[in-house]
Amino acid sequence: NAGVTQTPKFQVLKTGQSMTLQCAQDMNHNSMYWYRQDPGMGLRLIYYSASEGTTDKGEVPNGYNVSRLNKREFSLRLESAAPSQTSVYFCASRNEGRTKSDQPQHFGDGTRLSIL
Amino acid sequence: SQQGEEDPQALSIQEGENATMNCSYKTSINNLQWYRQNSGRGLVHLILIRSNEREKHSGRLRVTLDTSKKSSSLLITASRAADTASYFCATGSPQGGSEKLVFGKGTKLTVNP
Repeated sequence: NAGVTQTPKFQVLKTGQSMTLQCAQDMNHNSMYWYRQDPGMGLRLIYYSASEGTTDKGEVPNGYNVSRLNKREFSLRLESAAPSQTSVYFCASRNEGRTKSDQPQHFGDGTRLSIL
Repeated sequence: SQQGEEDPQALSIQEGENATMNCSYKTSINNLQWYRQNSGRGLVHLILIRSNEREKHSGRLRVTLDTSKKSSSLLITASRAADTASYFCATGSPQGGSEKLVFGKGTKLTVNP
């Protein structure tokens, strides 16, 4: 069972370049999330998708776009990368629960992105 | 902004000792979850406690929740070197339909053999 798979694992970009981070889950989960993790900052939510065809902004959406391609896949795009977007990006998914947030999130192993 | 704040930021103990980490939060919650992150890996869910629960156990883990103080603690008993990781609390909103968890900044635990 692969769970949540993120590609690529590492990437180095130059300022101004564009890039799409890929995420796929095989657990038939409805909800998917993109976070960034910076030293000393914990995880911050960029965008999330409650179901196929819907996306919503999180805490730090500026400079990013997302696409919920189908139930399995949720991609994150940097249109014009900036050094401030150097971070580790995590994708997560979650099943439906009794309330919307009372199920655990399942995480991928991250994409380490450096922007020069 | 962050909802949960873990304390301490870092903790170093000897194998066999107990480790206690605390989490404080600011607003009403539906539930509070604890996650572990090994170096270079994604977060792994450990335990969830709902707002109407006060204590929960899972193996060597014990979680308490005090909604009046807006705080939670995670106790790891008889720690092992393999418990070395960062631990994060995350809070779920009480608002119906809310999808989001808000994560704290984490406690880095080192268990020395």
